[in-house]
Amino acid sequence: AQKVTQAQTEISVVEKEDVTLDCVYETRDTTYYLFWYKQPPSGELVFLIRRNSFDEQNEISGRYSWNFQKSTSSFNFTITASQVVDSAVYFCALSGPTYNFNKFYFGSGTKLNVKP
Amino acid sequence: GAVVSQHPSWVICKSGTSVKIECRSLDFQATTMFWYRQFPKQSLMLMATSNEGSKATYEQGVEKDKFLINHASLTLSTLTVTSAHPEDSSFYICSAPMIQGTNSPLHFGNGTRLTVT
Repeated sequence: AQKVTQAQTEISVVEKEDVTLDCVYETRDTTYYLFWYKQPPSGELVFLIRRNSFDEQNEISGRYSWNFQKSTSSFNFTITASQVVDSAVYFCALSGPTYNFNKFYFGSGTKLNVKP
Repeated sequence: GAVVSQHPSWVICKSGTSVKIECRSLDFQATTMFWYRQFPKQSLMLMATSNEGSKATYEQGVEKDKFLINHASLTLSTLTVTSAHPEDSSFYICSAPMIQGTNSPLHFGNGTRLTVT
């Protein structure tokens, strides 16, 4: 069965610190997709990144970077030089292959508090 | 700007009444939309898949007679919580795939916070 685990419930850092949010997933599909979303206090979920199971290349986008390792079924998210505006709940999600595309499984989320 | 609009943002209703939540896709047609529910400090749980022109597909454990879904047009899906009770109080969020018919990332609405007194 599909499952996403975000073991870190809440993390607090001081501005400019680096922080890594962990995500571990379980799936029997050989083709799958992984996502990260940000949910600020306003409630709207903001899409950050999507990776497919065949692309393990790490990705960097500004202060954000993602480390995808199939060997450990992990898709971790690092924010470098964190800022107060990064404070939000971050969700990792997994979806199946195209024939089952509507099944998005979300982790429980990690609340990030960035203090000035 | 937002590509999925959800209304209302919040609603307070009395136990036993029904509440309708609207989800609209802006600037694109959505043959499929999804309704999620989020309890405080918890994850999003998929409730149902709303299909334009056909019946919604409900996830296991979701009461279809309580959570009525109507996908009236290619840009509008509604979720009606019938005979609401305090335990229905939650944050309801709709979404639609950026590219229909695929597992592309989802556009999410801003959510509706329902409080049943």
